[in-house]
Amino acid sequence: DIQMTQSPSSLSASVGDRVTITCRASQTISSYLNWYRQEAGKPPKLLISAASTLQSGVPSRFGGGGSGTDFTLTISSLQPEDFATYYCQQSYSDPRTFGQGTKVENK
Amino acid sequence: QEHLVQSGAEVKKPGSSVKVSCKASGDTFRSYAITWVRQAPGQGLEWMGAIIPTYTRSTYAKQLQGRVTFTADASTTTVYMELRYLRSEDAAVYYCARGDVYMDVWGEGTPVTVSS
Repeated sequence: DIQMTQSPSSLSASVGDRVTITCRASQTISSYLNWYRQEAGKPPKLLISAASTLQSGVPSRFGGGGSGTDFTLTISSLQPEDFATYYCQQSYSDPRTFGQGTKVENK
Repeated sequence: QEHLVQSGAEVKKPGSSVKVSCKASGDTFRSYAITWVRQAPGQGLEWMGAIIPTYTRSTYAKQLQGRVTFTADASTTTVYMELRYLRSEDAAVYYCARGDVYMDVWGEGTPVTVSS
């Protein structure tokens, strides 16, 4: 199974801050990497697919990059609704494993 | 706007089974895989597997094989997830989601409590 490791596990930031979350795969996954945001008590929401493709309706402050084993999610200017938990997920092979999550908290 | 409608919360005893439904539109049912993901209280997301409804072909997470079955009913465009021999560690919110390469539409989740 491919292991997905996110860092950091949590971070504190303020509205307007630039935030970067990293996701590392235990083996190469090409660009088969998705990012989700999950607000408390809600289902996950897809932000980015294929490492860097922004989903329709997702604000342009979200950006994704990387390929192979190392990936990043960047939020250029944190907004109040962005205080949530973020998950990466690989879809290169079954099982389609998720990272453990990164919780973004209000400083 | 597309959405997936899941069945309501369940309370089950250890050793019993639960069956969660996920109703999709006809287009989603015919054109997409449906993935099941669960989330234990305070924990992260766990991929359970996926089904292609039109072919009733499924893949399952290894740790659940033998206990979980996905089925699909074309007459009602509904997908089902049945989990048997429930244990306390199966207590979670169960989500269905559209797609398998990426999941772009999610149900609201079905909480399952396992308690004697």
